[in-house]
Amino acid sequence: GQQLNQSPQSMFIQEGEDVSMNCTSSSIFNTWLWYKQDPGEGPVLLIALYKAGELTSNGRLTAQFGITRKDSFLNISASIPSDVGIYFCAGQLRTDSWGKLQFGAGTQVVVTP
Amino acid sequence: EAQVTQNPRYLITVTGKKLTVTCSQNMNHEYMSWYRQDPGLGLRQIYYSMNVEVTDKGDVPEGYKVSRKEKRNFPLILESPSPNQTSLYFCASIGTSGSSGYEQYFGPGTRLTVT
Repeated sequence: GQQLNQSPQSMFIQEGEDVSMNCTSSSIFNTWLWYKQDPGEGPVLLIALYKAGELTSNGRLTAQFGITRKDSFLNISASIPSDVGIYFCAGQLRTDSWGKLQFGAGTQVVVTP
Repeated sequence: EAQVTQNPRYLITVTGKKLTVTCSQNMNHEYMSWYRQDPGLGLRQIYYSMNVEVTDKGDVPEGYKVSRKEKRNFPLILESPSPNQTSLYFCASIGTSGSSGYEQYFGPGTRLTVT
């Protein structure tokens, strides 16, 4: 079953604001991944994290692999209208083989002008 | 261009009529996966494959079969579809690149309705 708790479920923000979302679990993960899904399309990988404490940026996106290896965070700075979409976290459990991923339920982001 | 293709994109079928959704990738990735996406549940992994002839169950494998006879193809088979398999299905491939590390690509999705 689903082992990742992703929050918030949805966010309504104004253009220019920063956005933060996170994923937590009671289990330890080896890898954390963050995706964005636009309507009618498949998810697109934004950032991959491999080590506890790792902080990685991709443009205005910054993600961190929690030190306990049980959580991860994604921040979007200075949001713009095209940031609208559903953001998913995913991870590979320490006890699972590579390629087997757990996904969070997603965070719906709505950006208003 | 890196690509994962799925066919068909849309399918309406009846309970019990066997169907296959094809998936193909052009990146020579070892790993491929199938997911289903349902409202409020995110993506749930059905099956994944680590290489040719090597597959394993994900979190929701019941009612599905897969095969990996060639590296580029990973079809999803529903032997006897039921209405609870109505969902949006995504195929994905995973590999590594020397410069960017982990890379994963999803197909465009197949919306399946079972009546």
